[in-house]
Amino acid sequence: GDSVTQMEGPVTLSEEAFLTINCTYTATGYPSLFWYVQYPGEGLQLLLKATKADDKGSNKGFEATYRKETTSFHLEKGSVQVSDSAVYFCALSDYGGATNKLIFGTGTLLAVQP
Amino acid sequence: NAGVTQTPKFRVLKTGQSMTLLCAQDMNHEYMYWYRQDPGMGLRLIHYSVGEGTTAKGEVPDGYNVSRLKKQNFLLGLESAAPSQTSVYFCASSYAGQGNTEAFFGQGTRLTVV
Repeated sequence: GDSVTQMEGPVTLSEEAFLTINCTYTATGYPSLFWYVQYPGEGLQLLLKATKADDKGSNKGFEATYRKETTSFHLEKGSVQVSDSAVYFCALSDYGGATNKLIFGTGTLLAVQP
Repeated sequence: NAGVTQTPKFRVLKTGQSMTLLCAQDMNHEYMYWYRQDPGMGLRLIHYSVGEGTTAKGEVPDGYNVSRLKKQNFLLGLESAAPSQTSVYFCASSYAGQGNTEAFFGQGTRLTVV
């Protein structure tokens, strides 16, 4: 079945460092890909998405490119801030399915130190 | 601007007790979902609904039941709680679509079964 694999955390960075969180997927068909973020004590919220190959999603300085050839959707940010500390989830959604069900990776905890 | 509201936020149950978690959304979304979040496992889909009066099983449905009598509400029931159901439960909703629409999450219910 479909699945998402993302790098284990925690990832600890200093402020203004470059961030990469790796995400790869296995899917039949052509899924949409998402990054969701969970701040402490809150629910998940959409960070960015891409719906077809070579699409780049971006938001709040974060970017991810849908790479069909490597089945990847790595999250990057050029300069992280303390306020970016959160858990990041990579997810895919079944294309064309009448459910919008999401399949999540295990999540990566990011801790940014001043 | 409430979005998705879950009730209660915290609960402690004894093994064998029953309870119902309530999810309410005010965005007129067609689809609603219940996920559970466990350490190292990401979010897993319990049950979902694509419309009023319809429900379907997700990845981990055993031990849970759901109902969607009104479009805006999605109830998750535990008939006889077990320690394995200790988890954080998230409700989400989304518009109907081709797998590329954003899911909106509630703030979660932290359930402990002792």
